[in-house]
Amino acid sequence: AQSVAQPEDQVNVAEGNPLTVKCTYSVSGNPYLFWYVQYPNRGLQFLLKYITGDNLVKGSYGFEAEFNKSQTSFHLKKPSALVSDSALYFCAVRGVNTGGFKTIFGAGTRLFVKA
Amino acid sequence: GAVVSQHPSWVICKSGTSVKIECRSLDFQATTMFWYRQFPKQSLMLMATSNEGSKATYEQGVEKDKFLINHASLTLSTLTVTSAHPEDSSFYICSARGRQGAYEQYFGPGTRLTVT
Repeated sequence: AQSVAQPEDQVNVAEGNPLTVKCTYSVSGNPYLFWYVQYPNRGLQFLLKYITGDNLVKGSYGFEAEFNKSQTSFHLKKPSALVSDSALYFCAVRGVNTGGFKTIFGAGTRLFVKA
Repeated sequence: GAVVSQHPSWVICKSGTSVKIECRSLDFQATTMFWYRQFPKQSLMLMATSNEGSKATYEQGVEKDKFLINHASLTLSTLTVTSAHPEDSSFYICSARGRQGAYEQYFGPGTRLTVT
C-alpha cells in the first residue's frame, strides 16, 4: 500500500532564512510526487510535481523539491522564506504501477514564517 | 488555466435536510473528479472518485447512499449530502484531473458545511 509521511506537524522559520518541509513516501513502482499548499479556508493549490527526469524540480513561488529515490524522500525547499509563505503544505504520492489513479496525501505540515 | 470552482462556498442547513454542492472545471475537461473531506487541522480524506458518465467509486467507510455523487458532464460533478446530521459538518473539497496534464489535480476552494 502506498503512503506518505510528513514527520513535522509544524515548521518555524525566520523570514529570509531557507526552509525545508520534509516528506517521505512508500509506493510500489515508480512514484508520481506532488506538493500542494493550502491557505486558511481555501482549497489546495498545486506547487510542483516530480514525474520523471531531473531529480530537482522547480515550482511556483520560488519553491523547489528534490526527489531522492534511495531515501524515498521528496523534501520541499525554498532558499529564502517569506511571511506570505505561511500556510499548510501537503505532500502527495501516486503510484505509477498500482491499479487505479488514487493520490494519497500526507497529514500536512504547517509552516510559520516569522518576520 | 485549470480553475475549479465550487458552489456554495459555505452552507448552513438543518439536521435531516439535504445539501447539494457543485464542482465545476471552468477551463478544462475533467475526466476524473474527486471529493474530499477535511476535518480541522487534518489532511484530506478521499471520499470518492468519479469518472464522467459512470458511477462513483467510494472509499471504504463512506456511505454511498448518504453522499450521492453525480458526474454528469466533463465539467460538472455534484455531491449531495442526504439527511444531513451535525457530524456531517465539515469542509468538503472537490478536485479535478483532465486529459491533458493528467498527473496533478486541481482543487476547488472548498465548501464549509455546517449542520445545526
